[in-house]
Amino acid sequence: GAVVSQHPSWVICKSGTSVKIECRSLDFQATTMFWYRQFPKQSLMLMATSNEGSKATYEQGVEKDKFLINHASLTLSTLTVTSAHPEDSSFYICSASGGAEKLFFGSGTQLSVL
Amino acid sequence: TQLLEQSPQFLSIQEGENLTVYCNSSSVFSSLQWYRQEPGEGPVLLVTVVTGGEVKKLKRLTFQFGDARKDSSLHITAAQPGDTGLYLCAGQYNNNDMRFGAGTRLTVKP
Repeated sequence: GAVVSQHPSWVICKSGTSVKIECRSLDFQATTMFWYRQFPKQSLMLMATSNEGSKATYEQGVEKDKFLINHASLTLSTLTVTSAHPEDSSFYICSASGGAEKLFFGSGTQLSVL
Repeated sequence: TQLLEQSPQFLSIQEGENLTVYCNSSSVFSSLQWYRQEPGEGPVLLVTVVTGGEVKKLKRLTFQFGDARKDSSLHITAAQPGDTGLYLCAGQYNNNDMRFGAGTRLTVKP
């Protein structure tokens, strides 16, 4: 099956710093990628839809200036958490669309902001 | 706003028991997926259903898509401890919007 690689798996950073998370589709081209946030024991919450070559579409309540998304190529989307604060600590997951009804997930990134 | 309701949210059963998880929406899905997620990992796709009334089986797991494509169920027969995990349904609507259910956290006790 298709593989989506997400990096890093976990990151610890100081409050006020920025963190970049990468999501790569390894064996297919993904015109659309999705970024989710997941709190412990809860479901995935869609943050934004990343479209190659255009601006991301953010869900209501998600600050686009805080969560910067770049989808510069058909195989790479990045999420940058700017000026991270402890309340940004969470599990972030990306997924990539591999065609009709096919969505493949990365392994997630656990962010801890001290 | 499209809402997708998943129930139950928590389920704790003994090994060998059967269980059913439900996923319902007021809107029609163009497709629906079921995922299983382990702690600290991304969701893994179990099945995709597209046609109303469709039934798919994956070993002890049976997935059903409602005739009207507004609901789906996941039935596990003779649950095993290895089935423990978070089960997520995700529905894709005709506008390509995809939403996840709240998830069902299943614990199967030996």
